[in-house]
Amino acid sequence: KNQVEQSPQSLIILEGKNCTLQCNYTVSPFSNLRWYKQDTGRGPVSLTIMTFSENTKSNGRYTATLDADTKQSSLHITASQLSDSASYICVVSARGAGSYQLTFGKGTKLSVIP
Amino acid sequence: NAGVMQNPRHLVRRRGQEARLRCSPMKGHSHVYWYRQLPEEGLKFMVYLQKENIIDESGMPKERFSAEFPKEGPSILRIQQVVRGDSAAYFCASSLATNEKLFFGSGTQLSVL
Repeated sequence: KNQVEQSPQSLIILEGKNCTLQCNYTVSPFSNLRWYKQDTGRGPVSLTIMTFSENTKSNGRYTATLDADTKQSSLHITASQLSDSASYICVVSARGAGSYQLTFGKGTKLSVIP
Repeated sequence: NAGVMQNPRHLVRRRGQEARLRCSPMKGHSHVYWYRQLPEEGLKFMVYLQKENIIDESGMPKERFSAEFPKEGPSILRIQQVVRGDSAAYFCASSLATNEKLFFGSGTQLSVL
């Protein structure tokens, strides 16, 4: 069964600090992995998308890594800002499936405090 | 470009009533997808529609749920005879074409009393 597990469930950090969120998946065969940011009461917004051959991808202060061998990904946030407070969702797509048939993690709820 | 628009943002229904959720895709997008997010769970795919056609409804419950995307107007997700277990956030996404990037709406929070 395709699954995506994220840790930690929630995280509180001080403004300006860095943090790393983890994602483990069992989706097979693997196609791509995405990280989404979901603000409270809003829909998910794509941050990064990585395919099998990509190890790292950056989007501003967000850097995602992917280890397709161990089926793990991480999202590193640098110099956090109050506006980074949101849920961060790891989403995996299987090869051969439609791009919409996504397996979503439950998300990590990040709170950045002053 | 207003993005994917969903309404209402919040919907309260009593058990047994019908719920209608609307989704207007981004301008130029003809592919619409509905997802459901139960409390403390990840989003789950429900149905994929293209104008006037249901492409994939493998995630839709077999009873009480239906979806349409008419030639004119928004896509509608209809839930008949709602039960408490239907309480969830329902998200719509749209894309320009198959296998293109998905853009999500802000969701409709359905509460069944």
